[in-house]
Amino acid sequence: DVQLVQSGAEVRKAGESLKISCKVSGYNFNTYWIGWMRQMPGKGLEWMGSIDPGDSDIAYNPSFQGQVSISADKSANTAYLQWRSLEASDTAIYYCARFGSAVIIPGFDYWGQGTPVTVSS
Amino acid sequence: EIVLTQSPGTLSLSPGERATLSCRASQTVSSNYVVWYQQKPGQAPRLLIYGTSNRAPGIPDRFSGSGSGTDFTLTISRLEPEDFAVYHCQQYGSSPLLSFGGGTKVEIK
Repeated sequence: DVQLVQSGAEVRKAGESLKISCKVSGYNFNTYWIGWMRQMPGKGLEWMGSIDPGDSDIAYNPSFQGQVSISADKSANTAYLQWRSLEASDTAIYYCARFGSAVIIPGFDYWGQGTPVTVSS
Repeated sequence: EIVLTQSPGTLSLSPGERATLSCRASQTVSSNYVVWYQQKPGQAPRLLIYGTSNRAPGIPDRFSGSGSGTDFTLTISRLEPEDFAVYHCQQYGSSPLLSFGGGTKVEIK
């Protein structure tokens, strides 16, 4: 079975760094893009960016470019989302998800359970 | 930049009623690249519809999608208790590469 398992809830202070993870299993990690989405409390979904684990090609939403870094470790079947300096406004649930395929299913067909991040000022 | 606007923000209906949810794009979107998700409280979203009208595996046929150009619709023919949730539309391929609407909450009347 396809599974995306995210790291646990995080509590940080503003200015701190953070890296959260998304470990996948049940399929070839190299063959599907992985996306990261933000969901702020009571709000909708925002696409932050996606990575092709096969060649580490990355597409960022311009709204998040420079604010976060997306990476992947093929040997660990794991994708990452990283902040160098958190802000209180980064408080949200972050989801990773597998992007089906631009040709077949141009959307996210499998999702992680979400990682809540709380940043205090 | 393409913006997706979902309406209404909240839809109050009773079980057994028909739900019609709208997703309007600020620019033309290819119908191949419109997707709908369902999200229940405390859960991750679930893929419902892709390519405007194709149901994802395991999705009941009371869910249907339609539309073209800038106007897309998700219809739930007869609401079941488990259908009360938030629904998100998404486009792929326009700038930004991928974006979501603000969501429509379907609540029990």
